This record gives sequence, structure tokens and C-alpha cells, in this order.
Amino acid sequence: TQLLEQSPQFLSIQEGENLTVYCNSSSVFSSLQWYRQEPGEGPVLLVTVVTGGEVKKLKRLTFQFGDARKDSSLHITAAQPGDTGLYLCAGSPTQGGSEKLVFGKGTKLTVNP
Amino acid sequence: DSGVTQTPKHLITATGQRVTLRCSPRSGDLSVYWYQQSLDQGLQFLIQYYNGEERAKGNILERFSAQQFPDLHSELNLSSLELGDSALYFCASSVVMGTSGSNEQFFGPGTRLTVL
Repeated sequence: TQLLEQSPQFLSIQEGENLTVYCNSSSVFSSLQWYRQEPGEGPVLLVTVVTGGEVKKLKRLTFQFGDARKDSSLHITAAQPGDTGLYLCAGSPTQGGSEKLVFGKGTKLTVNP
Repeated sequence: DSGVTQTPKHLITATGQRVTLRCSPRSGDLSVYWYQQSLDQGLQFLIQYYNGEERAKGNILERFSAQQFPDLHSELNLSSLELGDSALYFCASSVVMGTSGSNEQFFGPGTRLTVL
């Protein structure tokens, strides 16, 4: 079973600070996605990374896929209260022949004004 | 709005009962996935259908079953419900393999099931 470990589990910061969330595994994934989820709602896709070493930017969010495609990070610059939410990483396993996603347990981010 | 719809939004029922959750995928998506989200387990893959056929099974209990109809909507049936089945149930859809070589899945708003 391919697992994804996210850290930290909880993060509470002040508006304007920078932060990084990590998603790690001992297994290789064919692609990795980051989602953001609000309470009681479905996860919303932020980005997909496919190539080892790939970096993608979405405004103040920077996503990186590890060279070996086993880990990823999400960096937020100058966090704002609107960034508050549950951030989930999800990977497409290379084994099994299915397109299912394996999810990390998430990082709950709170940005205080 | 992801384009994936789920009904009902909330469902409250008693132990031992049976319920059906419904999902309509995004227009053009052939693959439907069901996930369960509980506080302690996070999002867990249950089952995938592709163009009407079961494609993959995850941690789905024998009391649970699903199907995908010719119009591509899907239903998740949960029977002999137990207190521990209380959770958020999400449906997601995808084309299966996007042009980028990734599997981008788009999630519905979920059904919150409460078993009393």
C-alpha cells in the first residue's frame, strides 16, 4: 500500500507569514495533486504535478514535486486569512492499474488576521 | 463549482437501515470514484467505475455496493448501517487519463451521512 504522510498536521500563523507544507512517501507516484478543502465541502483541485523536479506556481502558492516523485511541498508566501483551510496531497499510485487517489491526512491551516 | 453533483446533501438515518447516495459526474467524464471521509481516517478510496464497469475496489465493506448507469451517473448503496458508517461520502469524476498524463479528479460537494 502506498501511503502519503503530510506535515505538519496543524499550522496556525499570522497574516503575512510564509509557510511550507510537506507530503512524503517511500513510494513513487505517477503524479501528485494538491487539494484545498473547506469544512463540509468537497476538495477543490489546486494543481497537478507530473514530472520529477517540477515546480508550479499559482499566485502566492508554489508547488514542487520531488526529483524521485516520492514527495512534494506546498509553499505559501505572505499568507492571508482566505488561505485558511485543509490542504490535502493526493497521489496516483504507480502500482495496481487503477486511477484511484491515495490521500494524505491533510494539513489544517489557520491564518489569523 | 466542480461540475460534479451529489444528492442528498445530508442524510440522517438509523442503524440497520439502507440508503442510496447519488452522483452525476462532470459532462464528458467517464470515470466515477467514491471516497469516504471520516475524522480519524481521512479520505479513503472505496470504488471506481469506468463507463459502466467496475474498475477498482478499495476499502469498501461488503455491506456497501455501487453501480454506474448508462447515462454515467452513479449510486452508492449502503446497507445494514452502523454508527461507524457516519461520515462524509464524496464522489469524484475524471476523464481517466488527462492529456498531461495525470489523473485529475474533480469532487462533488459530498453527502454527510449520520447514523443514529
